[in-house]
Amino acid sequence: AQKITQTQPGMFVQEKEAVTLDCTYDTSDPSYGLFWYKQPSSGEMIFLIYQGSYDQQNATEGRYSLNFQKARKSANLVISASQLGDSAMYFCAMREEGGGNKLTFGTGTQLKVEL
Amino acid sequence: GAGVSQSPSNKVTEKGKDVELRCDPISGHTALYWYRQSLGQGLEFLIYFQGNSAPDKSGLPSDRFSAERTGGSVSTLTIQRTQQEDSAVYLCASSSRAGMSDSPLHFGNGTRLTVT
Repeated sequence: AQKITQTQPGMFVQEKEAVTLDCTYDTSDPSYGLFWYKQPSSGEMIFLIYQGSYDQQNATEGRYSLNFQKARKSANLVISASQLGDSAMYFCAMREEGGGNKLTFGTGTQLKVEL
Repeated sequence: GAGVSQSPSNKVTEKGKDVELRCDPISGHTALYWYRQSLGQGLEFLIYFQGNSAPDKSGLPSDRFSAERTGGSVSTLTIQRTQQEDSAVYLCASSSRAGMSDSPLHFGNGTRLTVT
């Protein structure tokens, strides 16, 4: 079974609108962390936001917030007030406490912000 | 330097040749990872180093792939007898607090390997 599932291969959003990128995960480990990365066309991987499995509150970092629904095993990324520079590939990833420290990545969502 | 440095940025090689890819992690980071990203795909874990512990090699796709990390710093990923399916971007990452689930990975810009 896939550990991280991103069901939206591509998304479009208009500038200044909010957009939600979906991520569901599968783990039996009670302790884990969820990460979102942005990969622009230049190829660099940019860390955006982190959510721990025991965190009571949803993580926020500037225009990024993580809608964490533990019972549903989902960790959707919300980008508010989209900008043209947000156009990129977005990856959801998970690290399990008992998983040897590696991050397991989803297949990504290509976001395009339009005028 | 301030970030993870990888070299070369691009490498074209002939099928059957050996290649070495280098990674210089962020100073002080104890954990180092290698990932592979094929065109339009997600990231595939290859290997993980943490301090002096035995590396986690569980992601290496075949025995043609090997990696070492000297002095707890620079790492080299070696691919022997390259095949066309090895063509991909090889990404190196480091993190400062290995073993802590909240420690993000900081990635280099990758080495784009093309096997002709």
